[in-house]
Amino acid sequence: AQRVTQPEKLLSVFKGAPVELKCNYSYSGSPELFWYVQYSRQRLQLLLRHISRESIKGFTADLNKGETSFHLKKPFAQEEDSAMYYCALRSGSARQLTFGSGTQLTVLP
Amino acid sequence: ETGVTQSPTHLIKTRGQQVTLRCSSQSGHNTVSWYQQALGQGPQFIFQYYREEENGRGNFPPRFSGLQFPNYSSELNVNALELDDSALYLCASSLPGRTSTDTQYFGPGTRLTVL
Repeated sequence: AQRVTQPEKLLSVFKGAPVELKCNYSYSGSPELFWYVQYSRQRLQLLLRHISRESIKGFTADLNKGETSFHLKKPFAQEEDSAMYYCALRSGSARQLTFGSGTQLTVLP
Repeated sequence: ETGVTQSPTHLIKTRGQQVTLRCSSQSGHNTVSWYQQALGQGPQFIFQYYREEENGRGNFPPRFSGLQFPNYSSELNVNALELDDSALYLCASSLPGRTSTDTQYFGPGTRLTVL
């Protein structure tokens, strides 16, 4: 069965500092991985997907199949990045998402 | 283009009762997925509906059931409510496929409290 692990429930960094949110997965097939973000009082929304290999709001994430990881990184954190971040893996006939438990990122001024 | 909407926003029920939650999918989306998010956890997949048929199911008992209507809106029904059913229930709509068009767009959720 697939599993997504986000080891940090809380992460605080200062504005301008680099930030890395960790995500590890367990899946026997070829993974499709995503990062979702939920800003305060907003709904869950897609931030980026590994297949697109894109940078969104300065965030990037590289799939490392050897380490089964998909860490989210940003070189210079901004206060508006403060939010809950969820890593998710898509699988199954319904292409459903399996989420990690989330990391609450706080960017301090 | 309207986004995913859910009703009601909040709901309080007692153990043993039944509840129906509703979801209207984003315009043009014919696939609806339901997730349960317990406090402090990530969303957990309940089931998905595509063209009015159940298209996949997570590890939830049969007392969790659903419907999808011809206009692609959907209902989640939970019978014999238990205390552990207290959670945020999220609905997500999408188009089926294996491209960027199959992104799941989430609604704001319904907060269910079972006393």
